Amino acid sequence: DVKVTQSSRYLVKRTGEKVFLECVQDMDHENMFWYRQDPGLGLRLIYFSYDVKMKEKGDIPEGYSVSREKKERFSLILESASTNQTSMYLCASSGQGVTGELFFGEGSRLTVL
Amino acid sequence: GQNIDQPTEMTATEGAIVQINCTYQTSGFNGLFWYQQHAGEAPTFLSYNVLDGLEEKGRFSSFLSRSKGYSYLLLKELQMKDSASYLCAVIDSNYQLIWGAGTKLIIKP
Repeated sequence: DVKVTQSSRYLVKRTGEKVFLECVQDMDHENMFWYRQDPGLGLRLIYFSYDVKMKEKGDIPEGYSVSREKKERFSLILESASTNQTSMYLCASSGQGVTGELFFGEGSRLTVL
Repeated sequence: GQNIDQPTEMTATEGAIVQINCTYQTSGFNGLFWYQQHAGEAPTFLSYNVLDGLEEKGRFSSFLSRSKGYSYLLLKELQMKDSASYLCAVIDSNYQLIWGAGTKLIIKP
């Protein structure tokens, strides 16, 4: 059974804290994505990666960075969390780029106080 | 700009049929996805259309008209477990995936 696992389902952080969101997939997929999901808005792409140590900015990369040191792991980093980064964060992977089926993790709900 | 429109919320009755529409205006087109997302869970893949016409998969069907920039997801014999949000997403000419805000479907007994 294919699986995308996100490290934390719920996090509460304070403004200015550094936040790490980890994502691991077990499908040997080349492509991994980080989205945020907010009510009334479609999924918005933060960063994506098509290969190890490779990263590309999505639509809303400001305030975020990513790391992909191993094929199976894609980390999202908030260097200094702000209240407007309170959101649901979804990691996804795909074996065929954006034209292939995306497999999502269950999400990490981050609250920044 | 690029835009995908779906109704925000729909209500239907158990056992009935419901059609969820999606219209899009994007720079080019390379396919359209439908995903299902239960509350608090990950989105899961339902269908992918790249050619015009109807694709049927059990109780769910997805239709595409590229000339009209239009798709719909048809759910038959509705069950309570079909209560979820349904997300429409289009791949544009740059192979970027553009997402709609989703349609929350409420099934009543």
